[in-house]
Amino acid sequence: NAGVTQTPKFRVLKTGQSMTLLCAQDMNHEYMYWYRQDPGMGLRLIHYSVGEGTTAKGEVPDGYNVSRLKKQNFLLGLESAAPSQTSVYFCASSPGRRGEQFFGPGTRLTVL
Amino acid sequence: GNSVTQMEGPVTLSEEAFLTINCTYTATGYPSLFWYVQYPGEGLQLLLKATKADDKGSNKGFEATYRKETTSFHLEKGSVQVSDSAVYFCALSDLRGSTLGRLYFGRGTQLTVWP
Repeated sequence: NAGVTQTPKFRVLKTGQSMTLLCAQDMNHEYMYWYRQDPGMGLRLIHYSVGEGTTAKGEVPDGYNVSRLKKQNFLLGLESAAPSQTSVYFCASSPGRRGEQFFGPGTRLTVL
Repeated sequence: GNSVTQMEGPVTLSEEAFLTINCTYTATGYPSLFWYVQYPGEGLQLLLKATKADDKGSNKGFEATYRKETTSFHLEKGSVQVSDSAVYFCALSDLRGSTLGRLYFGRGTQLTVWP
């Protein structure tokens, strides 16, 4: 039981490049979330999903897109990376809205 | 709206010292309250939680009591260890309306414990 895994762990992009971050969970959770963590800002919600095939915007969605084609996977895409997207990205999953959220180890992204 | 305010860090303590990290919240409904811990290079882990007023969450020697009258959820530990060095996040989840279980986080408090 791996819990929540994220790939890649580290990535450096140039401005304007695109990439996809993958989150996978093996706990059969319905809810999945993408957060970004910036120094002194805590965690801010980017997008979330309440089930396969559904996604919704969170607090800071601009510049990101997501997809949840399979229940166990939640992808976060950056179509045209900007330096302001330099951050640590965390994925989390939860069995339902009342359940504890389980976090992945994070992806450290630098945009030059 | 919903928000969490926790004390600014960093907090530096000697081993076996008493720890308090203050957390206050604003919520539109009746939130559940959480403390998460993030060890260096890792993701967040749930440390403890409380789901209603006057509940006390506890785990690994840490405690926090849900105080509705003061809208607070302060984290305490009687005797910290070097292994407690981490970043601690206070968070709330308000299930009213369409919040769908999202967590609202404080900014985090860095704790360093010296031997």
